[in-house]
Amino acid sequence: ILNVEQSPQSLHVQEGDSTNFTCSFPSSNFYALHWYRWETAKSPEALFVMTLNGDEKKKGRISATLNTKEGYSYLYIKGSQPEDSATYLCAWENYGGSQGNLIFGKGTKLSVKP
Amino acid sequence: DGGITQSPKYLFRKEGQNVTLSCEQNLNHDAMYWYRQDPGQGLRLIYYSQIVNDFQKGDIAEGYSVSREKKESFPLTVTSAQKNPTAFYLCASSHRGEGYRFFGPGTRLTVL
Repeated sequence: ILNVEQSPQSLHVQEGDSTNFTCSFPSSNFYALHWYRWETAKSPEALFVMTLNGDEKKKGRISATLNTKEGYSYLYIKGSQPEDSATYLCAWENYGGSQGNLIFGKGTKLSVKP
Repeated sequence: DGGITQSPKYLFRKEGQNVTLSCEQNLNHDAMYWYRQDPGQGLRLIYYSQIVNDFQKGDIAEGYSVSREKKESFPLTVTSAQKNPTAFYLCASSHRGEGYRFFGPGTRLTVL
């Protein structure tokens, strides 16, 4: 069974706090790791697609790192704002799996209080 | 504006009826996907299509059917054979079969 685990399941922070959460995935046959942000009543929106071990990507106050050898990725949010409140999904894409399939984690639900 | 549309937003179905969920994209993407979300679970792949007139089963295809007659459209039929159809359904597309997925707003199906 190929599992993608995200932790924590939910997180409550104050505006201005920095926060991070984890995505764990199988380290074998790695092809890519995706991060998506899913706000309530909206469509999931792509944040990053990462493919190289040691890769670090940044988009405004959000950044992500990737360790394919040990099978984890961190998502960091610096100075959280209420508009960052959303569920953050990661998804693992592997070689040899059915083409086009992403294995999604259950998500981390972030709530930022003003 | 380019994007993906799904209709309807909410759908109610009586047990034993087939129902079709619409998904249209104007992003000129080759690949399209259907996912299902249940409470406390990650998105799971139902079907995907890499090219017109071709599609593949995902992890939970039983009780569902699709067609891909046009590049822009990938409708999903939930048949009466699907034992637990009540769920949130998301359609997505991507350029070829890799890279970012672009998602639609979803359809919530409830079986009465």
